[in-house]
Amino acid sequence: AQKVTQAQTEISVVEKEDVTLDCVYETRDTTYYLFWYKQPPSGELVFLIRRNSFDEQNEISGRYSWNFQKSTSSFNFTITASQVVDSAVYFCALSEPPSNDYKLSFGAGTTVTVRA
Amino acid sequence: DGGITQSPKYLFRKEGQNVTLSCEQNLNHDAMYWYRQDPGQGLRLIYYSQIVNDFQKGDIAEGYSVSREKKESFPLTVTSAQKNPTAFYLCASSRGDVRTDTQYFGPGTRLTVL
Repeated sequence: AQKVTQAQTEISVVEKEDVTLDCVYETRDTTYYLFWYKQPPSGELVFLIRRNSFDEQNEISGRYSWNFQKSTSSFNFTITASQVVDSAVYFCALSEPPSNDYKLSFGAGTTVTVRA
Repeated sequence: DGGITQSPKYLFRKEGQNVTLSCEQNLNHDAMYWYRQDPGQGLRLIYYSQIVNDFQKGDIAEGYSVSREKKESFPLTVTSAQKNPTAFYLCASSRGDVRTDTQYFGPGTRLTVL
């Protein structure tokens, strides 16, 4: 069963538009960790954020913000005022220490294209 | 600069040959990982190692082998037993606790079997 679902395969926006990437996860553990990574065309995964299951506060970092809702098992990511440099594949990932032998489960990724 | 290096960036292999991908880190991280990425898909874990001289199979270990003789190095060998080895391979490392630590990734090696 897919533990992390990123339903949006591709999103295309014009520069300065906001874009929200959805991430829905599935776990039976009460302690778990959620991550977002960015993969630009160069291929390297860049860490963006890590959130533990006990911290439901939303977070903002510059133009990036994250909305964590345990009630809907979602950890969505919004890029405000998008720029061409935001074009990349974005991955959501889940770590379930107690039950999944510490492995990181990745979603299939969402490709974001920002047009000038 | 601290980071993770992978070499080579591009690798071509003939069918039936073994090939070894290099991964080195100078972050003083205890744990290291190998992932495989296929087009349009997320990452899948091949092997991981929490400490030197110890490693565990991930979800898709068949046809791969690893060693962890030094803290800084975690080479991956793609053997001829791997049926479909053409993919993008990513190495990662984390501070120590594979359960909670953030994994940081190298630039990747793109392997093509001719």
